Amino acid sequence: KNEVEQSPQNLTAQEGEFITINCSYSVGISALHWLQQHPGGGIVSLFMLSSGKKKHGRLIATINIQEKHSSLHITASHPRDSAVYICAVRSREADTGNQFYFGTGTSLTVIP
Amino acid sequence: DTGVSQNPRHKITKRGQNVTFRCDPISEHNRLYWYRQTLGQGPEFLTYFQNEAQLEKSRLLSDRFSAERPKGSFSTLEIQRTEQGDSAMYLCASSLRSGGIQETQYFGPGTRLLVL
Repeated sequence: KNEVEQSPQNLTAQEGEFITINCSYSVGISALHWLQQHPGGGIVSLFMLSSGKKKHGRLIATINIQEKHSSLHITASHPRDSAVYICAVRSREADTGNQFYFGTGTSLTVIP
Repeated sequence: DTGVSQNPRHKITKRGQNVTFRCDPISEHNRLYWYRQTLGQGPEFLTYFQNEAQLEKSRLLSDRFSAERPKGSFSTLEIQRTEQGDSAMYLCASSLRSGGIQETQYFGPGTRLLVL
């Protein structure tokens, strides 16, 4: 079983729709990251969360530590939002490098 | 461009050959991570450095893989006697670890390896 599960795996939306991507994890964490991966492989870090909610432009990320769940929301989606969105958690283990667990990603396609 | 850079961006090699990839982190970052990502999967951790010290290697990393960061700046990842299963995107990330403050990792564009 993966330590990080994302849903849905694939998502197609019409431009302007409100989008939600979910992430559940099974380990104790010190932080959760949302990453955006563009076609061709480039990865951009969108958010790092340890509690509550963060907003950046049309993107909103929330986390519920008790429920071990996070959501990434995109308001007024646009075709340029089309990418793979990856949830990654930093485990609350001893400070070692093998501390990041990644979900398999949600592939988002926004149609004009 | 002051981000993380990786070279080459693409590499095609024959099975059994050795390949070496380079990662140049953001200059003030003291931590450097290597990940591998296969098609349709999220990245998998391979190894990481704090300055020049390699602090951890994943069990995924066979003896054919070796990584160095000799001066605590750029890093190289070498794969010896490549196998077709090594075909993947190899991602590098760097971060600045300062005290107990959580750090954000910044990813490079990756090196896509194809072993024929």
